[in-house]
Amino acid sequence: GQSLEQPSEVTAVEGAIVQINCTYQTSGFYGLSWYQQHDGGAPTFLSYNALDGLEETGRFSSFLSRSDSYGYLLLQELQMKDSASYFCAVRASNQAGTALIFGKGTTLSVSS
Amino acid sequence: NAGVTQTPKFQVLKTGQSMTLQCAQDMNHNSMYWYRQDPGMGLRLIYYSASEGTTDKGEVPNGYNVSRLNKREFSLRLESAAPSQTSVYFCASMLEVTGNTQYFGPGTRLTVL
Repeated sequence: GQSLEQPSEVTAVEGAIVQINCTYQTSGFYGLSWYQQHDGGAPTFLSYNALDGLEETGRFSSFLSRSDSYGYLLLQELQMKDSASYFCAVRASNQAGTALIFGKGTTLSVSS
Repeated sequence: NAGVTQTPKFQVLKTGQSMTLQCAQDMNHNSMYWYRQDPGMGLRLIYYSASEGTTDKGEVPNGYNVSRLNKREFSLRLESAAPSQTSVYFCASMLEVTGNTQYFGPGTRLTVL
């Protein structure tokens, strides 16, 4: 089966840098994705890593180490609007196809 | 281009009642998904459809049925609602089942009394 572990909560102050870790177990790895969800809203795609290394998109970066079954999301120059839940996700496969399986999410609280 | 739409936005049911949650996407995506989200549990996959004409069970399919009506529409049916099905339901779509970017609808908040 598949499982993902990420911290339940992280707190930080405006302007700081925060890292949200994700470890996964999966049979057949197709890449690690990150999604952001504000309170009351829908999840939105942030980034995707299929290969080892760092992917940068503005203030957000995502890292993957396939040998360690580990990845992280790095948020820099934190802003109040970054307060949200962040989910890592992996593609899971079965005989019928593949689907994204999500972790339980990390709630990030940014204070001034 | 509306993306992924869901109806209704809110619903209250009594135990034993049935209802269908509707989902439609206008992005010409092949794959569609139904998730439920409960506090502290993240997003759990109920059913998905890799392409028109196919459906498959996810992590928590019991008590639900789905229909992939056509390429655009994917509905979720609760035949006999139970309080344990109180949740927020999200529909999502993805260009291909082998993709990595899912687009989510706004969600349906369902309460079963």
